[in-house]
Amino acid sequence: DAGVTQSPTHLIKTRGQQVTLRCSPKSGHDTVSWYQQALGQGPQFIFQYYEEEERQRGNFPDRFSGHQFPNYSSELNVNALLLGDSALYLCASSLDGFWDTTSYNEQFFGPGTRLTVL
Amino acid sequence: AQSVTQLGSHVSVSEGALVLLRCNYSSSVPPYLFWYVQYPNQGLQLLLKYTSAATLVKGINGFEAEFKKSETSFHLTKPSAHMSDAAEYFCAVSVLGGNQFYFGTGTSLTVIP
Repeated sequence: DAGVTQSPTHLIKTRGQQVTLRCSPKSGHDTVSWYQQALGQGPQFIFQYYEEEERQRGNFPDRFSGHQFPNYSSELNVNALLLGDSALYLCASSLDGFWDTTSYNEQFFGPGTRLTVL
Repeated sequence: AQSVTQLGSHVSVSEGALVLLRCNYSSSVPPYLFWYVQYPNQGLQLLLKYTSAATLVKGINGFEAEFKKSETSFHLTKPSAHMSDAAEYFCAVSVLGGNQFYFGTGTSLTVIP
């Protein structure tokens, strides 16, 4: 099992450009979440995709958008890049299932994509 | 709403000494709590999790954490620090049926030989 994979590993863009990051979930997982981790900070939730739809969204502008494909892989798109978008972008996958009182939604994280905006 | 506060952005301990990393949470419903470790230029690795079963949770690499509802705490401990424990540690909270994790700002652990 390859676990969660992300590409590319590193990316350098200039202000105003657009970027696409990719994530392949752990085998058997159907839910993908994206997080932004600025330098020296904890990860912040961007959004989550399930059944090819955005299910929940954090406090991020519409410049951040995503997509989930039928094979459960996902893309994160960021338009009109700002210097403040420089961060490590983490993808996490999980299995959405039947909820009971003992169920939980453990997330497995990928190694991240380091985005630098100049 | 859920949130996590990690007290101490930097902690230094001597090799062989006790490791104590503090985490306090806020949640309006029973929480699920997690500790993750992050090594330089890597993603997050799950150390341990609390999901409303035993309040003392044992994780990987000799770490453990105790859920204390009365103190709204979930502190991470390890009896004897090893050089390889030097990393960034994040506490996170989620809830049953919740779709996102709320992370603390992290604690950087330095182990002094």
